[in-house]
Amino acid sequence: DGGITQSPKYLFRKEGQNVTLSCEQNLNHDAMYWYRQDPGQGLRLIYYSQIVNDFQKGDIAEGYSVSREKKESFPLTVTSAQKNPTAFYLCASTARASTDTQYFGPGTRLTVL
Amino acid sequence: DQQVKQNSPSLSVQEGRISILNCDYTNSMFDYFLWYKKYPAEGPTFLISISSIKDKNEDGRFTVFLNKSAKHLSLHIVPSQPGDSAVYFCAASESNYQLIWGAGTKLIIKP
Repeated sequence: DGGITQSPKYLFRKEGQNVTLSCEQNLNHDAMYWYRQDPGQGLRLIYYSQIVNDFQKGDIAEGYSVSREKKESFPLTVTSAQKNPTAFYLCASTARASTDTQYFGPGTRLTVL
Repeated sequence: DQQVKQNSPSLSVQEGRISILNCDYTNSMFDYFLWYKKYPAEGPTFLISISSIKDKNEDGRFTVFLNKSAKHLSLHIVPSQPGDSAVYFCAASESNYQLIWGAGTKLIIKP
């Protein structure tokens, strides 16, 4: 079945550590996105990638890094520079432009201890 | 500055009645609008969309209305069912690669 997978579902990290969240899609979509959701707020865009080996910062990219070495994969690293990393992280993809329907993964809940 | 606003954090509706979720936007250049539904600890799922060239789009129990002059859109769910209890997000696009999201409205369907 085609879709987007994110792993792990729950992740705990000690303060000061980097952690990488996985996002894989087998939909053959060109564009992939990372969002963060906090209680009472809409989804905020962290990074997006329109094509392999290319990515752009979203609204809240500070403290995060990404790579897009393969079309299917768009991992997000939450670095120790991110001041408030505890949140629910969502990965999404679209066939091409954002006017296409975004398909979301199940999300990863990151908690910093 | 929030370009997409969902002013009601929550809404409670009796089962079988109509649920109306509202969304306001400030950017007149937005030309595509979407509604997503989200259950706790899951990713949002697409519900329905509307292009700015239309003022209404219907899909089963879900209808989205767009009032461009008022910069307002609404999602109507008729009849409301218990499985509709979720958080509903409104999102808008200006034909680029970024969707701008509202904060969401939690819909509670009472039996």
